[in-house]
Amino acid sequence: DAGVIQSPRHEVTEMGQEVTLRCKPISGHNSLFWYRQTMMRGLELLIYFNNNVPIDDSGMPEDRFSAKMPNASFSTLKIQPSEPRDSAVYFCASRLAGDVETQYFGPGTRLLVL
Amino acid sequence: GNSVTQMEGPVTLSEEAFLTINCTYTATGYPSLFWYVQYPGEGLQLLLKATKADDKGSNKGFEATYRKETTSFHLEKGSVQVSDSAVYFCALSDPGGGADGLTFGKGTHLIIQP
Repeated sequence: DAGVIQSPRHEVTEMGQEVTLRCKPISGHNSLFWYRQTMMRGLELLIYFNNNVPIDDSGMPEDRFSAKMPNASFSTLKIQPSEPRDSAVYFCASRLAGDVETQYFGPGTRLLVL
Repeated sequence: GNSVTQMEGPVTLSEEAFLTINCTYTATGYPSLFWYVQYPGEGLQLLLKATKADDKGSNKGFEATYRKETTSFHLEKGSVQVSDSAVYFCALSDPGGGADGLTFGKGTHLIIQP
């Protein structure tokens, strides 16, 4: 089975540009999580969805960040406008309904905002 | 709120040495505890987990025991290999405490020298 798929794997953009990160969860998983990893703050939960519905977005840093999950097989995390402090690795993870503890992570998107 | 504290890295050991990476936690409910491993350029992978007090998780020669009295979940391995070089994250899941997703420690970078 394919694991969690994220694209792009690397993104370099200039300050002020819009950035869209994409995630395809494992088929059959009904929960999806977005995390951000930085040296200073470690891994932080940004938002998560259950059955395509956003449940908790309290980790989203500010209004420049938004996330959607239009269907069970696709989610996006958008930053508009991007800033240099958004530079980080962004991970998507999914989870099966019957296993409320184990999350499966994608390879991450490494974002650099110049 | 929930939090996880890990020993600072990097930790540098020689091959076949004994490994301990300390992890302590605070949680409002009754959490499950995890160790995830991140190899260079990859996403996080679940290494082992324990869901209740005194449980021992084990995988690939690594072990960790859920100690409720000391709120700890230290990772151990009797004889490390160069291939164990990675970043190790301790994490907890505490849905009963009102939060979903995982709370991570900041990670411990382990370097094994031949």
